[in-house]
Amino acid sequence: DAGVIQSPRHEVTEMGQEVTLRCKPISGHDYLFWYRQTMMRGLELLIYFNNNVPIDDSGMPEDRFSAKMPNASFSTLKIQPSEPRDSAVYFCASSSTNTDTQYFGPGTRLTVL
Amino acid sequence: GENVEQHPSTLSVQEGDSAVIKCTYSDSASNYFPWYKQELGKRPQLIIDIRSNVGEKKDQRIAVTLNKTAKHFSLHITETQPEDSAVYFCAAKDNAGNMLTFGGGTRLMVKP
Repeated sequence: DAGVIQSPRHEVTEMGQEVTLRCKPISGHDYLFWYRQTMMRGLELLIYFNNNVPIDDSGMPEDRFSAKMPNASFSTLKIQPSEPRDSAVYFCASSSTNTDTQYFGPGTRLTVL
Repeated sequence: GENVEQHPSTLSVQEGDSAVIKCTYSDSASNYFPWYKQELGKRPQLIIDIRSNVGEKKDQRIAVTLNKTAKHFSLHITETQPEDSAVYFCAAKDNAGNMLTFGGGTRLMVKP
């Protein structure tokens, strides 16, 4: 198995631009999580899905952030418009109902200038 | 909701010494406690986990202990090596869904 796949690995954009981060979970996993990691705030859960349905989005910072999971093998996290304070590493993770372990993707390092 | 506190935030040890990182959790319904290691610029990776029906688990130089009554669990690394230097995160999961609540992390530095 290739593990959790994220793209792009690095993204540099200017303030006000739309940013889309992508994630492919491990095949067969029914949970998908989006995290944001910064030095100041640590590892924060933004939103998670179960069977493609958003379960808890209370961690999404504001309306500029949105996430979708159109099918079991693909999810996106969109920021529109982006701001410098959105600069962080964004991780996607997946897990299965049958096992509790979450497996993280390599992350996307986002820099908003 | 669940709250996980982790201590210390930084830990420096000499190579060969032991390192202990402690976490407390608030929700007595939590039943799964993983530990992740994150090297600089890399993703968090699971190194060991324990479930609420077990008090201790070992894997070579790494061990985790769980005290359900006190609601705390600890990571023990023996014979530390420079490659153990990383940030370590504890986490807790309750019965509702597969969501993990993470501690704030511990930066472990092993000096050769």
